[in-house]
Amino acid sequence: AQSVSQHNHHVILSEAASLELGCNYSYGGTVNLFWYVQYPGQHLQLLLKYFSGDPLVKGIKGFEAEFIKSKFSFNLRKPSVQWSDTAEYFCAVNDRGNTPLVFGKGTRLSVIA
Amino acid sequence: DTAVSQTPKYLVTQMGNDKSIKCEQNLGHDTMYWYKQDSKKFLKIMFSYNNKELIINETVPNRFSPKSPDKAHLNLHINSLELGDSAVYFCASSQAPSNSEQFFGPGTRLTVL
Repeated sequence: AQSVSQHNHHVILSEAASLELGCNYSYGGTVNLFWYVQYPGQHLQLLLKYFSGDPLVKGIKGFEAEFIKSKFSFNLRKPSVQWSDTAEYFCAVNDRGNTPLVFGKGTRLSVIA
Repeated sequence: DTAVSQTPKYLVTQMGNDKSIKCEQNLGHDTMYWYKQDSKKFLKIMFSYNNKELIINETVPNRFSPKSPDKAHLNLHINSLELGDSAVYFCASSQAPSNSEQFFGPGTRLTVL
């Protein structure tokens, strides 16, 4: 069964620092990849997704992610974080077909002034 | 104009009671989901319906029974509530079961006393 690992449980950064959150998945076949964000007290919102094509994906709010198939990774990046990026970030993967979306355990990002 | 809505937002109840959570989406999507997010923020799929038919049923106790009266609604009924059922329950929808972004509702925080 598919599994998703997010290695960083809690990341604390100062404003303007660069961000990279790790995500690795286990299944080696054709996958769809997602990053969702959950702001405090709110529902999940999609940041970006990868289905096929250019492995460097640009999302909303200046986020991007790179799919590296050989490393089973889909790391999330942002060159300069803001206080408003404080949230929980979830990586999610599903295999092509009617398979469920499997989420990582999330990474809490705290951005301090 | 809320895309995926859930009611109630908060639900506090005693052990042993039966309760329902309602979900509606106005996106015209064919597929709907229920997820459970535990106290450690871990998100796990419970059920998925496509065109009112159950397509995913992850190892969930049979005290949980989803019902989809039409494509726009997926309700969750829980019998004989237990302390361990306390969590945030998210409804989501997508255009299709795979290769589609999922849109999440605001969540229902269930507390079982």
